[in-house]
This record gives sequence, C-alpha cells and structure tokens, in this order.
Amino acid sequence: AQTVTQSQPEMSVQEAETVTLSCTYDTSENNYYLFWYKQPPSRQMILVIRQEAYKQQNATENRFSVNFQKAAKSFSLKISDSQLGDTAMYFCAFTSGTYKYIFGTGTRLKVLA
Amino acid sequence: ETGVTQSPTHLIKTRGQQVTLRCSSQSGHNTVSWYQQALGQGPQFIFQYYREEENGRGNFPPRFSGLQFPNYSSELNVNALELDDSALYLCASSLVVSTMNTEAFFGQGTRLTVV
Repeated sequence: AQTVTQSQPEMSVQEAETVTLSCTYDTSENNYYLFWYKQPPSRQMILVIRQEAYKQQNATENRFSVNFQKAAKSFSLKISDSQLGDTAMYFCAFTSGTYKYIFGTGTRLKVLA
Repeated sequence: ETGVTQSPTHLIKTRGQQVTLRCSSQSGHNTVSWYQQALGQGPQFIFQYYREEENGRGNFPPRFSGLQFPNYSSELNVNALELDDSALYLCASSLVVSTMNTEAFFGQGTRLTVV
C-alpha cells in the first residue's frame, strides 16, 4: 500500500528564517508525482510545489524548494525567508498517475513575528 | 482562486438525512475527485470521475455516491448521514490526458456538520 508520513505535527519559525518540513512516502511504483499543498484557515488547498519522480533536479518555486531523495523515499520542503502569510497547514501528497492523491496528516506551521 | 467552486460552504444536517454537495470544475478540466477531510487530518480519497464515469473509489461505503455532468460539474451525495460524516468535503479538478497527470486544483470545501 502507498503511504505518506509527516512526522512533525507542529512547527514554528521566526519571520525571515528558514524552516524545513519533512515527508516520507512508501511506494513500489517507479513513476509518480509528489506535491506540497498549503491549507490556510480559509481551507482552500493551494499547490506550493510539485516534483516528478523521474526528474533528478529538485523543484524550486521562489522561496520554496524541495529536497527529493528517491532512494530514501524522502521529500522535504524548505521555506526560505519565512513570511507571516506562510502560516498554514502543509500537506505532503503523492500520486502515481491519473488516479487518487494520498495525503499525509499535515504539519501546522506558525511563523512568528 | 483556483477556478473550482463548491456549494454550499457550510451545511448542518441531522443524522439519517441525505445531503448533496456540488462542485464546479475549473474550465478545461475533465476529471473531478472528492475528498473527505476530518478535523486535524489529511484529506481521504472518496472517488474520482472521468468523463462522467466513476474511475476509482476509496474505502467509503456505497451510501457515498456521485455524479459528473457533461459540463464536468459534479455532485457528491451522502445517504443515511452518520455523526462521523461530519467533515470538510473537498472537490478537486484536474486535466487528465492519456497517462499524463496534472496537478489537482481544489475548491474551498463544504463544511458538513451532522447533529
């Protein structure tokens, strides 16, 4: 069975500092996609960053970057220059194709002023 | 804004009743999925519709059913509501072409409370 594990229920970071959120997954598939979604109090899931498993290069989107370790089945999210607006729940998600997404239990991130 | 809209935003129902939740997919998307997100948990996959056919189902009983219409809007129906059905229900649309997957775009959800 495919699973996604986020072992950090809550984290906090000072504004302008860097924080890393952890995610591990388990699958026997070779081709798949990994995502980080942000869910603020407004409840809308917002895509932060996406990684295709066949790409060795780690994805980056402005202040957000990932450390994708395929052999270790690890997919961490680094947020640089943290801003108050980054306060939210962050979910790691996996899909092996056109089918369902499997989500982790989330990490609640609080950015402190 | 993702272009995926859900209605209503909040709903209170009594145990045993039936409920219909609605989702309007992002323009150009042909696939819609529904997820249940209990408080403090990650979303759990209910089912997916592709071109009006159910394309996969998660571990949910048959009283959870759905429809996708020709304009790719969708409904989630839940019969015989139970207290544990209280959750945020998320709709996600995506464009699926052959085996290529695009990211899912989520609506803002419907908060269902069963009393």
